Amino acid sequence: GDSVTQMEGPVTLSEEAFLTINCTYTATGYPSLFWYVQYPGEGLQLLLKATKADDKGSNKGFEATYRKETTSFHLEKGSVQVSDSAVYFCALPPNNNAGNMLTFGGGTRLMVKP
Amino acid sequence: EPEVTQTPSHQVTQMGQEVILRCVPISNHLYFYWYRQILGQKVEFLVSFYNNEISEKSEIFDDQFSVERPDGSNFTLKIRSTKLEDSAMYFCASSPQGTNYGYTFGSGTRLTVV
Repeated sequence: GDSVTQMEGPVTLSEEAFLTINCTYTATGYPSLFWYVQYPGEGLQLLLKATKADDKGSNKGFEATYRKETTSFHLEKGSVQVSDSAVYFCALPPNNNAGNMLTFGGGTRLMVKP
Repeated sequence: EPEVTQTPSHQVTQMGQEVILRCVPISNHLYFYWYRQILGQKVEFLVSFYNNEISEKSEIFDDQFSVERPDGSNFTLKIRSTKLEDSAMYFCASSPQGTNYGYTFGSGTRLTVV
């Protein structure tokens, strides 16, 4: 079945450091891919998405490129801020709308220190 | 910005009691979902709901669980006889076009079964 694997956290960085959170997936076909973010005490928010291979999703300075050759969707940001401290989830919907279940990775906690 | 509202934010209940978790999805959304996150574990799909019926459910969603859209605005999750292992954060989500489009999540209800 479909699955998503994320690097384990926590990831601790200093402000303005470069961020990479790895995400790889296993799926049939070429589904869309998502990154969700969960700030402390809040629900999950859609951060960015890509709907087909080689697409780059971007939002709030974060980027992720859908790479089918490596089945990856790594999240990057060039210069993190303290306010980026949160848990980040890579997620995979079913391919071709065949189903309703969003499959989440285990989440990666990011802590940014001033 | 429209949001999904969940109440209560925290519920404590005794084992064996019934609980109802409430959600108000975004008004023009057509697809509704419940997910849960046991502390420190992955976000897991419970059920999806479309056109006034369950469209998909996971193996977690057994006979103890039920969902209802009693009026045009609320979407509820009922657990008939709670168990200790039902303690988790429960997230409601809604989407205008289904899973591939992306969801808007509520901020969650933390259920503690004692």
